[in-house]
Formats: sequence, structure tokens, C-alpha cells
Amino acid sequence: KNQVEQSPQSLIILEGKNCTLQCNYTVSPFSNLRWYKQDTGRGPVSLTIMTFSENTKSNGRYTATLDADTKQSSLHITASQLSDSASYICVVALKTSYDKVIFGPGTSLSVIP
Amino acid sequence: DVKVTQSSRYLVKRTGEKVFLECVQDMDHENMFWYRQDPGLGLRLIYFSYDVKMKEKGDIPEGYSVSREKKERFSLILESASTNQTSMYLCASTLGNSYEQYFGPGTRLTVT
Repeated sequence: KNQVEQSPQSLIILEGKNCTLQCNYTVSPFSNLRWYKQDTGRGPVSLTIMTFSENTKSNGRYTATLDADTKQSSLHITASQLSDSASYICVVALKTSYDKVIFGPGTSLSVIP
Repeated sequence: DVKVTQSSRYLVKRTGEKVFLECVQDMDHENMFWYRQDPGLGLRLIYFSYDVKMKEKGDIPEGYSVSREKKERFSLILESASTNQTSMYLCASTLGNSYEQYFGPGTRLTVT
């Protein structure tokens, strides 16, 4: 069954600290993996997109890694800011004739002063 | 900048009412999608469209229909709203074979 799991479900960290969010997937055939940030009451916004051949990609203070062998990805946030408080969603796309994607349930991150 | 707009941010409807949710994108994207988002379940695909007047069922199409009369506009229709359709509804669009989906701000629908 195609599935995307994320951990932890929620996380609270102090401003300025680093954190890592995890994503495990059982999706086949794999096409690409995406991380989105969703602020409360808003639609998701893309942070990174990685294909099979890419194992790391950065977007400012966000760095995503992908291990296609173990089917795991992580999102590392460096020097967290209050504005990083949001839900982070891992999305895996299947290699099909259309854009079939599986969304993870998200990790809710709260950055406190 | 790609802009995806949705007709309402918040909507309250009664059981049995017909509900229209509209989505408009301004970047000439071919592909448009409707999702619903519920706590703990992630986003689930209701319907998608790859061209004008074309539609395909997603994972949870029951109780919904869609309309795409113009390339920039994709409407989601609840023929007879029920309380289990209370949810956040998100519209998205993509260009051709691009992987990146652009999402609208969402419509929080409450059916009482």
C-alpha cells in the first residue's frame, strides 16, 4: 500500500535551535519527493523537490535529504525562527501517467521565544 | 508569481444545500486539483483536471462533482452537502509536467 508517514507528529523547539523532521514512505514506483510548509489557515508552499538521483537539496535554512534505498527523507531546519512555526508536509509522487501524489499527515512545529 | 485564488476563505452551509467552491489560477496552468484536508489524514485528492472540460476522479470523489469550462477556473460542487463534508478544501495547479504544485489559501467549509 502506498503510504507516507511522518515523525514526530508535533514538535516544540526554542528559537535559534535546529531541528530535524522525518519522513518514511512505501511508495512505488517512486518519482519525486517534496517538502511543503503550511502556515495555519493557508495553503501549502513548496520548500524542496527531489528526484531519485538527488540526495540533498537546500532552500535557505531548510535542507532536505533523501535516501531512496531506505525510503527515508529528512528536513533539517537550521537556526529556527518564530516564523518557522507551521505544519511541514512530506509528499511523494508516483511515476505514473499523471501526477499521482501521496501526502503525509504532516509534522506540526512550534518555535517559541 | 503564480497566484491561485479561492472564492471564499470560510463558508457555513446547511445539510442538503448545494455548494460551489471556485478556484482560479492566473498562470495558464493546464492541471488543476481539488483536495480536502482533515486532521491526521493529510490531503486527499477529490478530483483533478488536465484540460478544459476534462476531469478525472481522485481518491475520494463520492459526493462531489467538478466543472472546468475555462482553463483558469476549476469548480468543486457539493450537490447535497452533508456534515461529513465539513473540512478544509484546497485547490492546486501545475504547469504541464512540472512537479511543483501551487496551492490556493483554502476554504474552510462547515456543514451544519
